[in-house]
Amino acid sequence: AQSVSQHNHHVILSEAASLELGCNYSYGGTVNLFWYVQYPGQHLQLLLKYFSGDPLVKGIKGFEAEFIKSKFSFNLRKPSVQWSDTAEYFCAVKEGAQKLVFGQGTRLTINP
Amino acid sequence: EAGVAQSPRYKIIEKRQSVAFWCNPISGHATLYWYQQILGQGPKLLIQFQNNGVVDDSQLPKDRFSAERLKGVDSTLKIQPAKLEDSAVYLCASSLEVSGNTGELFFGEGSRLTVL
Repeated sequence: AQSVSQHNHHVILSEAASLELGCNYSYGGTVNLFWYVQYPGQHLQLLLKYFSGDPLVKGIKGFEAEFIKSKFSFNLRKPSVQWSDTAEYFCAVKEGAQKLVFGQGTRLTINP
Repeated sequence: EAGVAQSPRYKIIEKRQSVAFWCNPISGHATLYWYQQILGQGPKLLIQFQNNGVVDDSQLPKDRFSAERLKGVDSTLKIQPAKLEDSAVYLCASSLEVSGNTGELFFGEGSRLTVL
């Protein structure tokens, strides 16, 4: 069964710092990869997704993620974070017709 | 476009009692999901419907949990009897595609259950 691992449970940064959140998934065939975000008091929403093609994908609010097949990784990055990026971030993987599997999430706190 | 609606937002019950959660997906979305999110963990799929048929319920504790999606629109998730470990947020999500293959799910705000 597919599994997803997010290495950081809680990340604390200052505004303007660079961000990288790790995500690794277990071996499988062709996968679709996602990052979802949950802002305080709001519902989960899609941040970005990778299906095929350019392994560097750009999402909303200046976020991007890079798919590295050899490392089974899909790390999320942002060059300069803002206080409004404070949220919980979930990596998710879908293998073919299998169900979408989420990682345990990373709580990001940005100090002004 | 209206989002996924869920109710109630919060529910507190004692163990062995029953509870039901309701979900109204985005209009026209064929696939509906119920996820359980325990504090500190990622969402875990309980059941997936395609229209009014069950696609995946492999992780649904069928001795106490049940779900239905009559007429392929609204859905209800029931827990009876509840256990302490059922305390979680129950998320409903929907997707446009029949197979849900793109994986883009639209989530409701969730129903937070506390079992005492």
